[in-house]
Amino acid sequence: GGIITQTPKFLIGQEGQKLTLKCQQNFNHDTMYWYRQDSGKGLRLIYYSITENDLQKGDLSEGYDASREKKSSFSLTVTSAQKNEMAVFLCASSRQISNERLFFGHGTKLSVL
Amino acid sequence: QQQVRQSPQSLTVWEGETAILNCSYEDSTFNYFPWYQQFPGEGPALLISIRSVSDKKEDGRFTIFFNKREKKLSLHITDSQPGDSATYFCAASGGSGGNYKPTFGKGTSLVVHP
Repeated sequence: GGIITQTPKFLIGQEGQKLTLKCQQNFNHDTMYWYRQDSGKGLRLIYYSITENDLQKGDLSEGYDASREKKSSFSLTVTSAQKNEMAVFLCASSRQISNERLFFGHGTKLSVL
Repeated sequence: QQQVRQSPQSLTVWEGETAILNCSYEDSTFNYFPWYQQFPGEGPALLISIRSVSDKKEDGRFTIFFNKREKKLSLHITDSQPGDSATYFCAASGGSGGNYKPTFGKGTSLVVHP
């Protein structure tokens, strides 16, 4: 078995601040993902990475940067936090990009004051 | 353009009843359809999945019915239990033209009353 660890669990930021979320997996999976979850809107893909040092934009990449410097870790940066923004960011991994189950972390809950 | 649609948005059933959650998709090249279950404060976790070569997949009280021609599938939860109360996401992947990455529906929130 393996685990996906997201840090921090809760993140409170100020408007305009740059915020970084981190994700680690010990499955030895090639592919990692960042999703944003808003109430009633399901899971929207922000960035994904097929392998180490690869980055692919998802449907919601504007306002975010990502980095995959190691196979086991994938970080997401909110480049400029928006006032009153509140969402849960979910990290996931899978063996490959297609036709494989995803394993999710517990999420990072972001609140912007 | 929403590739994967789920209905209803929310569903309430009594303990012991069968809950039916629906999902439809647009890209006919999708060939892998997992359903994820999410409890509050946790990430989604795989519940059951089906590949497009099959029309039915069963795992205990959970069954997926798949209609490739109509591009529809449904998750049936028989003998529903209060512990089944959660949000359920239908997903699809394996398509062409860039749809090989997983695409999620907006979810169905299920409440099972004792």
